[in-house]
Amino acid sequence: NAGVTQTPKFQVLKTGQSMTLQCAQDMNHEYMSWYRQDPGMGLRLIHYSVGAGITDQGEVPNGYNVSRSTTEDFPLRLLSAAPSQTSVYFCASAQGATEAFFGQGTRLTVV
Amino acid sequence: SQQGEEDPQALSIQEGENATMNCSYKTSINNLQWYRQNSGRGLVHLILIRSNEREKHSGRLRVTLDTSKKSSSLLITASRAADTASYFCASGSGSRLTFGEGTQLTVNP
Repeated sequence: NAGVTQTPKFQVLKTGQSMTLQCAQDMNHEYMSWYRQDPGMGLRLIHYSVGAGITDQGEVPNGYNVSRSTTEDFPLRLLSAAPSQTSVYFCASAQGATEAFFGQGTRLTVV
Repeated sequence: SQQGEEDPQALSIQEGENATMNCSYKTSINNLQWYRQNSGRGLVHLILIRSNEREKHSGRLRVTLDTSKKSSSLLITASRAADTASYFCASGSGSRLTFGEGTQLTVNP
């Protein structure tokens, strides 16, 4: 049982480049989310989805786009990377108002 | 902004001792969850306590919730070196969790 899978695990980008962080879950969960974690801090919500075709903004959405065309996948797009987006990114899924399952994270550095 | 605060920010204890971490939150909640994060890894769910519950146990974990004070505590009894990790409380559920800043627990063998 793979759970939540994130790719890549590490990425270095130059300022202004774009990229997509991939997230896939095999638990048929309705809810999926993207968080970022900065040093010494908890996670902050970027975008979330309550089902295929439905997405909404979280606490820190600027500079990021998402789409949810299938139940399984929830990619996060960085439009024009900035050093302030250097962070560790976590994808999570959940079924209803219960525990969330997290991926192992993508460590992104923007130089 | 973060939902609340956790204290202490860091806690260092000896193996076999108990560890207590506290979490305060700002808004009304339906439930509160606790997660654990080992260094460089994703978060793992530990326990969920609903707003109508005062206390909940799971193995060596004990969570309390005081909605009048908007606070929760996580107690780990008989700690082990393998319990070394960061611990986060989170309010909300499903796709929208709001996390505290976490407590870094170090259990020395």
